[in-house]
Amino acid sequence: ELKVEQNPLFLSMQEGKNYTIYCNYSTTSDRLYWYRQDPGKSLESLFVLLSNGAVKQEGRLMASLDTKARLSTLHITAAVHDLSATYFCAVDNMNRDDKIIFGKGTRLHILP
Amino acid sequence: DTAVSQTPKYLVTQMGNDKSIKCEQNLGHDTMYWYKQDSKKFLKIMFSYNNKELIINETVPNRFSPKSPDKAHLNLHINSLELGDSAVYFCASRLEGAGANVLTFGAGSRLTVL
Repeated sequence: ELKVEQNPLFLSMQEGKNYTIYCNYSTTSDRLYWYRQDPGKSLESLFVLLSNGAVKQEGRLMASLDTKARLSTLHITAAVHDLSATYFCAVDNMNRDDKIIFGKGTRLHILP
Repeated sequence: DTAVSQTPKYLVTQMGNDKSIKCEQNLGHDTMYWYKQDSKKFLKIMFSYNNKELIINETVPNRFSPKSPDKAHLNLHINSLELGDSAVYFCASRLEGAGANVLTFGAGSRLTVL
């Protein structure tokens, strides 16, 4: 059964600092997604990573995928307050059952 | 135009009642899902339908019954509501096939059972 583990689950950091969120998963997959959720809102797609070594960047966020290690990272560079949100990674179960399993989310709070 | 729309957005009801949440997508996607997000923000998959056929049926009490009249709609009916059913229920959809099949989420339906 596919399991997705994120860490840390809570992160409070100062503006201007760098940090990384980690996402580990338990079975083979080469489709991994990162989502953002603001309080009281829906989930918004940030990145789609489809192959080993894939790297995507948007502004201060960069996501990467290592399918051999079953690990994805979301790196935040020079954090700003607007990036405060909950970030989820999600992994596609490649057993053709359409199941996408989410990690527990990382609540990121960036202090001004 | 809203891509995935859910109604109602908020639902407050008493224990023991029966309620439904509706979901419609206008993206032409093949697969639709229901996810439950609890108070700790954990997202758990409940059901998925592909072209009106049930594909995923997780360990969910049989008080929950999804119905898909066509591939653009997936409704969720809940019988005999319990306190533990209080959560935000998200509908989502995506296209089948290879490639970047991102889930598109609705705005969520917040269910409060008193």
